[in-house]
Amino acid sequence: QVQVVQYGTEVSKPGASVKLSCKASVYSLTSSHMHWVRQAPGHGLEWMGMSADIGDTTRYAQKFQGRVTMTRDTSTNTVYMELRSLRSDDTAVYYCVRDFAWSFGSWGQGFLLTVSS
Amino acid sequence: QSALTQPASLSGSPGQSITISCTGSNSDIGNYNHVSWYQQHPGKAPKLLIYEVTNRPSGISDRFSGSKSGNTASLTISGLQTDDETDYYCASYTTFNTWVFGGGTKLTVL
Repeated sequence: QVQVVQYGTEVSKPGASVKLSCKASVYSLTSSHMHWVRQAPGHGLEWMGMSADIGDTTRYAQKFQGRVTMTRDTSTNTVYMELRSLRSDDTAVYYCVRDFAWSFGSWGQGFLLTVSS
Repeated sequence: QSALTQPASLSGSPGQSITISCTGSNSDIGNYNHVSWYQQHPGKAPKLLIYEVTNRPSGISDRFSGSKSGNTASLTISGLQTDDETDYYCASYTTFNTWVFGGGTKLTVL
């Protein structure tokens, strides 16, 4: 039972912005926090931030403060993550993840972003 | 917020038990029971193995167990199988209202 639908790849240039989307397929977004986690090639997992289940509450890792915005559209059951001022070290697989008891419960398939001139 | 500390690699033989440690601080593991563990096979999304220090989600084998003492959490895998050979990550909620991952441990089953 796929809960988080996320797929695709994109190549962006340094300095550009990208907005990734993730659709909840089985449940309502208002029932769960949604996180974004990324993984650079050959590296570990890195928590970027989360969008709370109710209201517009968001929390971001200090590293991304001012450069990331996470939003959600309850009418389409979709969450978005916009990352600005892209750099080459933003090249990574970006995962959208449904929260489960303060952990990362259901993971999307991941979105590969390559930042290159 | 610094990453949690995990051994970079561990190895074990089939049938044995191994324990992966995850060391944090009073700002994360030491202050909350919101500690979780993940298994990630190459090219795949991570999978939740343990949440809230000791709990297994439905469908996760009881060969996987978690514990915590002070600022260190541990994942024990008993009855090692060849399919257990992959990467493992810990994570914790923090006093900064954020989450942090460990650097990951590569497990080799010899």
